[in-house]
Amino acid sequence: GAVVSQHPSWVICKSGTSVKIECRSLDFQATTMFWYRQFPKQSLMLMATSNEGSKATYEQGVEKDKFLINHASLTLSTLTVTSAHPEDSSFYICSSRQGGSNQPQHFGDGTRLSIL
Amino acid sequence: AQTVTQSQPEMSVQEAETVTLSCTYDTSESDYYLFWYKQPPSRQMILVIRQEAYKQQNATENRFSVNFQKAAKSFSLKISDSQLGDAAMYFCAYRSWQGGSEKLVFGKGTKLTVNP
Repeated sequence: GAVVSQHPSWVICKSGTSVKIECRSLDFQATTMFWYRQFPKQSLMLMATSNEGSKATYEQGVEKDKFLINHASLTLSTLTVTSAHPEDSSFYICSSRQGGSNQPQHFGDGTRLSIL
Repeated sequence: AQTVTQSQPEMSVQEAETVTLSCTYDTSESDYYLFWYKQPPSRQMILVIRQEAYKQQNATENRFSVNFQKAAKSFSLKISDSQLGDAAMYFCAYRSWQGGSEKLVFGKGTKLTVNP
């Protein structure tokens, strides 16, 4: 149980393109999902918390208009990197928690985004 | 703000031996959770073990155990009978609840190499 699927796993695109990343909880419903960014040889940094049916909560320093988050259902959250530039190249990982507050977050496989 | 410190950027261990990864954290909260996650080259974050701060007993999961020292704010991970498949980046993480929102803060990670 507690499987989180992320798609695509790797995307390469030209500068100026918008890229959408999907995060799905396959076998449980998730009212909250989390989006992280990981630079090479660095730790995960929380970008935003995605809440089903409401606006996402962004961490300080994360541009809301740059990283659009939509959590349309209890099993799907999407992150759209708008007008991506080379500095947006990174590894993006989503996570979700199944059940109550005593449960851990389970992570997707991540998406490697490369902007040329 | 909570911080998590992993003072060992890299560690190595011989197969079948025991290794301990250190982690310290800073918080003013009394109730929280601590986690160790493993990130192999495939980049997926895998939960290794977790500890509730209110529990005095150290958590154990097969070959993995923790030494939780709440007063010292220390949370080290011990891997016994190390296996080649244990080679990965290991991240210590602290989870807090602030204003009803959940936040997971990661350390910078320790790269573990297992030598045959």
